[in-house]
Amino acid sequence: KAGVTQTPRYLIKTRGQQVTLSCSPISGHRSVSWYQQTPGQGLQFLFEYFSETQRNKGNFPGRFSGRQFSNSRSEMNVSTLELGDSALYLCASSWVVSSQETQYFGPGTRLLVL
Amino acid sequence: GENVEQHPSTLSVQEGDSAVIKCTYSDSASNYFPWYKQELGKGPQLIIDIRSNVGEKKDQRIAVTLNKTAKHFSLHITETQPEDSAVYFCAASGSNSGYALNFGKGTSLLVTP
Repeated sequence: KAGVTQTPRYLIKTRGQQVTLSCSPISGHRSVSWYQQTPGQGLQFLFEYFSETQRNKGNFPGRFSGRQFSNSRSEMNVSTLELGDSALYLCASSWVVSSQETQYFGPGTRLLVL
Repeated sequence: GENVEQHPSTLSVQEGDSAVIKCTYSDSASNYFPWYKQELGKGPQLIIDIRSNVGEKKDQRIAVTLNKTAKHFSLHITETQPEDSAVYFCAASGSNSGYALNFGKGTSLLVTP
């Protein structure tokens, strides 16, 4: 069974631009969560989607948004990029999150903001 | 919200020795505790997890113990091998966090031959 895939793997943007990252969960998984990983703050939860609905949101500004499609694929968008948004963005999928199923992570998208 | 602290931040052991990483959490409602291993350039990979109705779980050379009263849990790796070298993260989750994973800061483990 294929794992979680994320595209693109690497991205370079400049301040003020916006970016869209994509995540395809493991087949059959309906929950997709997004995390930001930085050397200073570690792994931080962004948001979680289940059946196209955002069910949970972390403490990030409104510039960070996401959505989920009917096939469970998810995208996250960051608008008006700041230097501090440079990070590894990780997507994790599971059957459902509310029952504490294991979350499986993808390889991440490394975003560099110049 | 949930606060997870992880120690040590770096750990160096010789091949064949044991390694122990400890985590504490603050939210007594947390009841799921996974451990992830992250190698350079890769996403975190689950290596073992434990739920609050269990005090200890073992999978070959890896074991996790949970003390809910003291709110701490530990990862034990026995007979370490060079390929165990990686960054290890503990996490805690429960209903109060909407089951989002709250991660510790990570432990960089180096196993020297």
